Amino acid sequence: AQKITQTQPGMFVQEKEAVTLDCTYDTSDQSYGLFWYKQPSSGEMIFLIYQGSYDEQNATEGRYSLNFQKARKSTNLVISASQLGDSAMYFCAMREETVYQETSGSRLTFGEGTQLTVNP
Amino acid sequence: NAGVTQTPKFQVLKTGQSMTLQCAQDMNHNSMYWYRQDPGMGLRLIYYSASEGTTDKGEVPNGYNVSRLNKREFSLRLESAAPSQTSVYFCASSEAEEGWLAGGPRQFFGPGTRLTVL
Repeated sequence: AQKITQTQPGMFVQEKEAVTLDCTYDTSDQSYGLFWYKQPSSGEMIFLIYQGSYDEQNATEGRYSLNFQKARKSTNLVISASQLGDSAMYFCAMREETVYQETSGSRLTFGEGTQLTVNP
Repeated sequence: NAGVTQTPKFQVLKTGQSMTLQCAQDMNHNSMYWYRQDPGMGLRLIYYSASEGTTDKGEVPNGYNVSRLNKREFSLRLESAAPSQTSVYFCASSEAEEGWLAGGPRQFFGPGTRLTVL
């Protein structure tokens, strides 16, 4: 089974509007971390936001926020007031406690990504 | 403060050739990672090094070797390149593992190396 599922290969949004990018995950761990990264056409990976499984509040970083629904195992990224520079590939990733304990290392599992295009 | 640097940026190899991808970080991070990204896919972990002196296999280690030269540097070697290894390779680093439940650690990525094997 896929650990991280991003069901939207591509999304389009008008400039200044909000957009939600979906991400569901599969884990039996109680402790895990969820990350979102942005990859513009230039190729670099840019960290956006993090949500820990024990965090009671939804994470927020500027125009980025997470709609974290633990029971549904989803962590959707909301980008408010979209800008042309937001056009990029967005990746959801997870880090699980069992993997950490077994390997003493930080291992991220990535989804396949969502290509976001912001139209003027 | 350059963050994570990778060399080279681009490389074309013929099948059977070998090469080493270099990665260095100046953030004093303990952990370093090598990922590959194939077209239309997310990143997959090849190898990682939780701390200086240790290395472990990730999800797709076959055909690769790594060396954690010191705390700063982590290299990836392809001994006999194959067309299936055509990909973009990313190096990343992160802080010490303690406290990850509290809010991290997040991984910082290098700019990537675009490798083509003919």
